[in-house]
Amino acid sequence: GNSVTQMEGPVTLSEEAFLTINCTYTATGYPSLFWYVQYPGEGLQLLLKATKADDKGSNKGFEATYRKETTSFHLEKGSVQVSDSAVYFCALGGLNFGNEKLTFGTGTRLTIIP
Amino acid sequence: GAVVSQHPSWVICKSGTSVKIECRSLDFQATTMFWYRQFPKQSLMLMATSNEGSKATYEQGVEKDKFLINHASLTLSTLTVTSAHPEDSSFYICSGADSNQPQHFGDGTRLSIL
Repeated sequence: GNSVTQMEGPVTLSEEAFLTINCTYTATGYPSLFWYVQYPGEGLQLLLKATKADDKGSNKGFEATYRKETTSFHLEKGSVQVSDSAVYFCALGGLNFGNEKLTFGTGTRLTIIP
Repeated sequence: GAVVSQHPSWVICKSGTSVKIECRSLDFQATTMFWYRQFPKQSLMLMATSNEGSKATYEQGVEKDKFLINHASLTLSTLTVTSAHPEDSSFYICSGADSNQPQHFGDGTRLSIL
């Protein structure tokens, strides 16, 4: 079955540091891949997505590239801010976009200190 | 972007009462809605998937009679926790989706049973 393995947290960085959160997956076929972000006490917000190999999703300075050869979708940001402190979830979905279940990673808690 | 509204955001009630949580898609028609449960500092656990006009599909281990899900229209799904007990206390999150949109999440409902 499908599974997502995500970098264990928590991760603490200084403001303006470079961020990488690793995510690898196991799936049959060609899944869609997502990063969601959860701020304290809130639901999840879609951060970025990629639907096929070599696609790069990007939003708010965050990027992730769908690497089929390494089955990875690592999240990166060049210069983090305090406001980026949140929990980040990598997720895997099906071809039928929203109508299929998502498989989530365990989440990575990120704290940015000024 | 797609918006999902969840209400209430926080509810406290006595043991034995039933609690209804609403999930609305505001600017798109959610052919599929998902209900999740999240324990503190953990990932999301899918409880059930509901398609408009049909019975929900529950994940293994989720009690259908305990967690009643109704998806009567393309913009509204409800989760009713029946005869709630303290062990039902949790953070419940819904999401809505269609074939053109990835899942968009509500802000969650924090349920506390005394």
